[in-house]
Amino acid sequence: AQSVTQLGSHVSVSEGALVLLRCNYSSSVPPYLFWYVQYPNQGLQLLLKYTSAATLVKGINGFEAEFKKSETSFHLTKPSAHMSDAAEYFCAVILNSGYSTLTFGKGTMLLVSP
Amino acid sequence: KAGVTQTPRYLIKTRGQQVTLSCSPISGHRSVSWYQQTPGQGLQFLFEYFSETQRNKGNFPGRFSGRQFSNSRSEMNVSTLELGDSALYLCASSLEGGSQPQHFGDGTRLSIL
Repeated sequence: AQSVTQLGSHVSVSEGALVLLRCNYSSSVPPYLFWYVQYPNQGLQLLLKYTSAATLVKGINGFEAEFKKSETSFHLTKPSAHMSDAAEYFCAVILNSGYSTLTFGKGTMLLVSP
Repeated sequence: KAGVTQTPRYLIKTRGQQVTLSCSPISGHRSVSWYQQTPGQGLQFLFEYFSETQRNKGNFPGRFSGRQFSNSRSEMNVSTLELGDSALYLCASSLEGGSQPQHFGDGTRLSIL
């Protein structure tokens, strides 16, 4: 069963436009949720993590994500896209806090046009 | 603070050979996890080591193995290489594992000819 679903393998926005990357998880218990970004020829960089302390999580580079239990979603947003935001974004979950196993979505490539 | 270091960055091997990849975690991190990234399967968990013990293992054949040393450095070994093993292998470390954020290295790109 797919634990993490990212809608849209590619998302295109203009510079300065709103960025919205969608992530839905399937779990009966709220998991630990993460967003990572991957630039070409690099590893994954942590953008933010949901800790259950607050439903709106602020991350690096102006990104934030909102946890919505009723919708089992953890969508990533940024008010104004920058050219440097072009990269692949991965939503990931840890279903069992006893293990470090990250289960990743398929990724969404963000394309930013001038 | 130095990040996660993986060596080598690139490797080219032929079918049937074996390969060893190395990962040095962030200083003080005791948990090291390995992931395989391919265009078809995406990012998949291989295994996690903590205090020199394998704590969890993904759904990969026994040809994939690893170990962790007392200084938390980890190695991953793949024997009898197959074309399908061509991938980016990523190592990630965290302080204690569990739900703590994992920090990734830049990976080793393994190509099998």
